[in-house]
Amino acid sequence: SSELTQDPAVSVALGQTVRITCQGDSLRSYYASWFQQKAGQAPVLVIYGQNSRPSWIPDRFSGTTSGNTASLTIAGAQAEDEADYYCNSRDSSGNHVVFGGGTKLTVL
Amino acid sequence: QLQLQESGPGLVKPSETLSLTCTVSGGSISSSNYYWGWIRQPPGKGLEWIGSIYYSGSTYYNPSLKSRVTISVDTSKNQFSLKLSSVTAADTAVYYCARRRDVDTAMVRFGFFDYWGQGTLVTVSS
Repeated sequence: SSELTQDPAVSVALGQTVRITCQGDSLRSYYASWFQQKAGQAPVLVIYGQNSRPSWIPDRFSGTTSGNTASLTIAGAQAEDEADYYCNSRDSSGNHVVFGGGTKLTVL
Repeated sequence: QLQLQESGPGLVKPSETLSLTCTVSGGSISSSNYYWGWIRQPPGKGLEWIGSIYYSGSTYYNPSLKSRVTISVDTSKNQFSLKLSSVTAADTAVYYCARRRDVDTAMVRFGFFDYWGQGTLVTVSS
């Protein structure tokens, strides 16, 4: 089992805002990073650090952390945002990398 | 633009050793501040970190795979490699290589994989 817990599935109406969460004790010490993965494709980094985006990611993606929970927010979700989203951080020892189980986002 | 490309056999027999290589282009594998990692994804399942290596040869492995995994680096070829021994059907997965940066300061700690290969499917079957 993963040390980072995500809801298996989330849905959002087109143009609305959605939050995807990731819980884990290690998140009290280490920021999560977030990846988007579309069917048949490699994961793509969308958020890292406190709330940084690679240049290729639109600004409707943002990240926050509170206590043991990291959140990825998509403001004004688009059809192309439909994908699996994974969080990533360190384990409780701080020595190893772990991924959350992933959240399937459906845009209605 | 940094690019990573996995290569290796797509079919491995049970009990044998899976071997993959990741070739890095558009940048040096000897760049400081970056690790190089392997991640896998069984069909229909989530991502699993296998391990990471620094250009100096320092390695970190997933504890659940550590007894079977070896990751090595060849800076002269700008490549790093994965060996996974005693494979079973449970090791069937898409294997990705990726570049990782870790930041550890008194104020912030985080890491991220920013560039990924396209992935290669390895099937374990007789």
